[in-house]
Amino acid sequence: RKEVEQDPGPFNVPEGATVAFNCTYSNSASQSFFWYRQDCRKEPKLLMSVYSSGNEDGRFTAQLNRASQYISLLIRDSKLSDSATYLCVVNPMDSSYKLIFGSGTRLLVRP
Amino acid sequence: DAGVIQSPRHEVTEMGQEVTLRCKPISGHDYLFWYRQTMMRGLELLIYFNNNVPIDDSGMPEDRFSAKMPNASFSTLKIQPSEPRDSAVYFCASSTRQGAGEQYFGPGTRLTVT
Repeated sequence: RKEVEQDPGPFNVPEGATVAFNCTYSNSASQSFFWYRQDCRKEPKLLMSVYSSGNEDGRFTAQLNRASQYISLLIRDSKLSDSATYLCVVNPMDSSYKLIFGSGTRLLVRP
Repeated sequence: DAGVIQSPRHEVTEMGQEVTLRCKPISGHDYLFWYRQTMMRGLELLIYFNNNVPIDDSGMPEDRFSAKMPNASFSTLKIQPSEPRDSAVYFCASSTRQGAGEQYFGPGTRLTVT
């Protein structure tokens, strides 16, 4: 079983739609969680951290469910520029600076 | 401020040749990471350094791969001899101790081994 699993998609949605991605992780001791965004043929970039209480950054909302070991990302009012691959990322233990990346979920926003 | 710099951006080489990838982290960042990304396996951590010292090299696939960080502003990843299955995009990333979850990635080196 992979440490971090994501639906690869693609999710194909119209502009203005709301779309949600989920991700599951296998290590219950994992401490920190993040969403990264990767545009086609570009490097990954941090989108947002995921906090236990859930957090919002503009149109983006991230939530964590420790009991079920899953993380979600909700994008409201999708823009064409949101088209990218979204990587779910887990720090497996507090004492390490290692990040485990999921394979990513591809989002295509159409006009 | 300049981001993470990697060179070369593209490398095409023949099987059996030595390949050296280079990385300059962001100034002041004390962690440096080397990743490999392929369609099949996604983004995999190969090795990471803290203050120029290798901390975790468990992701290095085999002895053909080696990485060094002779000083705070330079690191290399070497593959010798290269094989076609090494074809991938290799990313270097850096971060600070305080911002462990925020890694800044370089643009990557796209390696093709024929």
